[in-house]
Amino acid sequence: EDKVVQSPLSLVVHEGDTVTLNCSYEVTNFRSLLWYKQEKKAPTFLFMLTSSGIEKKSGRLSSILDKKELFSILNITATQTGDSAVYLCAARGGTSYGKLTFGQGTILTVHP
Amino acid sequence: GAGVSQSPSNKVTEKGKDVELRCDPISGHTALYWYRQSLGQGLEFLIYFQGNSAPDKSGLPSDRFSAERTGGSVSTLTIQRTQQEDSAVYLCASSPGQGAGGNTIYFGEGSWLTVV
Repeated sequence: EDKVVQSPLSLVVHEGDTVTLNCSYEVTNFRSLLWYKQEKKAPTFLFMLTSSGIEKKSGRLSSILDKKELFSILNITATQTGDSAVYLCAARGGTSYGKLTFGQGTILTVHP
Repeated sequence: GAGVSQSPSNKVTEKGKDVELRCDPISGHTALYWYRQSLGQGLEFLIYFQGNSAPDKSGLPSDRFSAERTGGSVSTLTIQRTQQEDSAVYLCASSPGQGAGGNTIYFGEGSWLTVV
């Protein structure tokens, strides 16, 4: 059964801190790994990773994939209160190719 | 449209009634997904449509759940004889299609279903 596990499940930090969110996966026919930020209802796309070792960066956020060890990390530097959200990791693959299997999410709370 | 559109945004129904949830994907997107998210939980895969291929229904939790996609565009998720455990946000997503790693998947705002 395809599985994605995120850690930690929740994290509380202060503004300016750096955080690292973890995602490990076991997915047949793995194609890519995606990170989403969910504040209200709709998850919003952050990154899609397909190749090992190549960091993707967007402002204070960055992410990298290790296809040998089957994990990815999402880093957020100089956190702000607006970063408070649930961060979801999803692995694409499975028997139907396009199916995304999601982790349970990491709840990040950034205090002023 | 500009994004994935879902309706209704909120639905309260009595246990045992049938409900239909609608999803309008982004124009031109060939892949369409339905996910369910219960309170405080991750996203649970329900069904995936890709072009004219047979849908992947492996995530549908019971035979009370069904979905169709007409004309390769709009999709309807139907839940028959609703139960209280069906209460959740039902999220629809679409993507341009496949490709080496796949493409970015865009989510709608969801339909919040409450079964009382």
